[in-house]
Amino acid sequence: AQSVTQLGSHVSVSEGALVLLRCNYSSSVPPYLFWYVQYPNQGLQLLLKYTTGATLVKGINGFEAEFKKSETSFHLTKPSAHMSDAAEYFCAVSDGRSSYKLIFGSGTRLLVRP
Amino acid sequence: DGGITQSPKYLFRKEGQNVTLSCEQNLNHDAMYWYRQDPGQGLRLIYYSQIVNDFQKGDIAEGYSVSREKKESFPLTVTSAQKNPTAFYLCASSHTGELFFGEGSRLTVL
Repeated sequence: AQSVTQLGSHVSVSEGALVLLRCNYSSSVPPYLFWYVQYPNQGLQLLLKYTTGATLVKGINGFEAEFKKSETSFHLTKPSAHMSDAAEYFCAVSDGRSSYKLIFGSGTRLLVRP
Repeated sequence: DGGITQSPKYLFRKEGQNVTLSCEQNLNHDAMYWYRQDPGQGLRLIYYSQIVNDFQKGDIAEGYSVSREKKESFPLTVTSAQKNPTAFYLCASSHTGELFFGEGSRLTVL
């Protein structure tokens, strides 16, 4: 069975500081991995995804994530936080083959201090 | 523009009433999904459909029902059997593994 763990329900950073949101997964097959962002009372928007190939994935709004198989991790980073980055972030995993069901983590709310 | 439309955005229901949430997509995607979101619990899968006239239960299907008569539409009915229906409901569709989400429907039971 697949599962996703996001460490830290809330992360607070100063504007301009590094953003690091942690995600670890469990999967019996090579996973497809995703990061989504959600603003209040809205749906989820895809930030980036890893399916195959290059393990460092670049997404929208300056975010990137690195797939590390040995650590079963897919942490999300951004070099310099902006106030507009304040939102909730979800990591998700699927096997991408037998079905496209995504299993989501519980989410991390990013707070950006001025 | 292509996308997913959910309606209504806000809905209030009295206990004991069924309510149906609409989800329409014009992305020509085969697969559609319903997720429930509660604070601090992430998204949990209610039902999903990979093709017209076929659907499968997700992790929390009890108290919910769906239909998939058309490729574009995947309505969700929250029945009176759902004990705690107040939540934010998200519909999504996919073609190659990536989910595209609607704006959500917030259901409140009074």
